[in-house]
Amino acid sequence: DGGITQSPKYLFRKEGQNVTLSCEQNLNHDAMYWYRQDPGQGLRLIYYSQIVNDFQKGDIAEGYSVSREKKESFPLTVTSAQKNPTAFYLCASSDSGASNYGYTFGSGTRLTVV
Amino acid sequence: KNQVEQSPQSLIILEGKNCTLQCNYTVSPFSNLRWYKQDTGRGPVSLTIMTFSENTKSNGRYTATLDADTKQSSLHITASQLSDSASYICVVWNAGGTSYGKLTFGQGTILTVHP
Repeated sequence: DGGITQSPKYLFRKEGQNVTLSCEQNLNHDAMYWYRQDPGQGLRLIYYSQIVNDFQKGDIAEGYSVSREKKESFPLTVTSAQKNPTAFYLCASSDSGASNYGYTFGSGTRLTVV
Repeated sequence: KNQVEQSPQSLIILEGKNCTLQCNYTVSPFSNLRWYKQDTGRGPVSLTIMTFSENTKSNGRYTATLDADTKQSSLHITASQLSDSASYICVVWNAGGTSYGKLTFGQGTILTVHP
């Protein structure tokens, strides 16, 4: 089955640590995205990538970093510079820039600072 | 500023009853409006996508309407089931900006269906 796989489902981070969230898709989609979801708020865009080896900052990129070395993979690193990282993180992908194409979400990673 | 506002924030209904969720947006230029269902701890799943020229679209017991003049949309759920308990998110695609446009998300309406 085609889809987006996020791992791990739950992640705990100690203060000062960097952690990396995995996102893999087998939909052959060109674009991939990372969103952060907090209770009572809409999803906010962290980073997005339209093609391999290229990515752009979203609305809340500070404290995060990404890479796009392969079309299928778009990992997100939450660095120690992110002061409030506890949230639900969603990865998504889309087929092209045309706005009517499918936009598919992964099942999410819940990150908690301990 | 592009915004999507949903109401109510939360809603409790009895199984078998109907309900309607509202979405108002100020996104411009408008490309399309999407409704997603998000179960707790899961990613959103698309229910409907409507373009400017579409007034209504159905997906089983879910029917979405769009009034592009007043910039309002609604999602009507018929004969609710316990499995309908979820957050329903209204999302508008802004056709401006980069070639990939930009999605603006509402904060969601949390629906709880009781037996």
